[in-house]
Amino acid sequence: DAGVTQSPTHLIKTRGQQVTLRCSPKSGHDTVSWYQQALGQGPQFIFQYYEEEERQRGNFPDRFSGHQFPNYSSELNVNALLLGDSALYLCASNPHIWDREGANIQYFGAGTRLSVL
Amino acid sequence: DAKTTQPNSMESNEEEPVHLPCNHSTISGTDYIHWYRQLPSQGPEYVIHGLTSNVNNRMASLAIAEDRKSSTLILHRATLRDAAVYYCILTNHIKAAGNKLTFGGGTRVLVKP
Repeated sequence: DAGVTQSPTHLIKTRGQQVTLRCSPKSGHDTVSWYQQALGQGPQFIFQYYEEEERQRGNFPDRFSGHQFPNYSSELNVNALLLGDSALYLCASNPHIWDREGANIQYFGAGTRLSVL
Repeated sequence: DAKTTQPNSMESNEEEPVHLPCNHSTISGTDYIHWYRQLPSQGPEYVIHGLTSNVNNRMASLAIAEDRKSSTLILHRATLRDAAVYYCILTNHIKAAGNKLTFGGGTRVLVKP
């Protein structure tokens, strides 16, 4: 059973460019979240997708956008890259649980390391 | 979001227990206490969670104070593979569809051989 997979593992871009990161959730999971982790800090929530819609969003500008596909995979797009966007981008997935308590465990991929020069 | 407070770092000797404290004085009645850890060059991984009662699993134990304003993650016998950043996170399970996780700085655990 494959866990959460992300691609690419590393990426180098220049300021002003656009980037797309990809995520395949763990088998059986339908909810995908994206996090940004700057060096030496904890991950920061960007947004979450369920049923192909953005359900929650963190404090990130509109340059950050996403998409979820019918197979539950997801993309994170960042436009007009800034030097400060350099970070590890993490994808996490979990099943959409409505009734069962204590089941909100998120599974993370290894991340995509983005460097903006 | 309710916040948590953890020490920046802790050291332990291999094969000895590690007690990682977490303060969450503003916890609400519907908040669960989750612990995740992040090994070097990996994404965070779930360790354990609880609501009111102490919890045990194959990775660790979670001791929750009676007033729920603090908790302690216990690694019973630290190994070199337990060296990681440990995050204490509160999540509200009333909101379903996978609540966002609000990470703080976590506690960096160093295990000495």
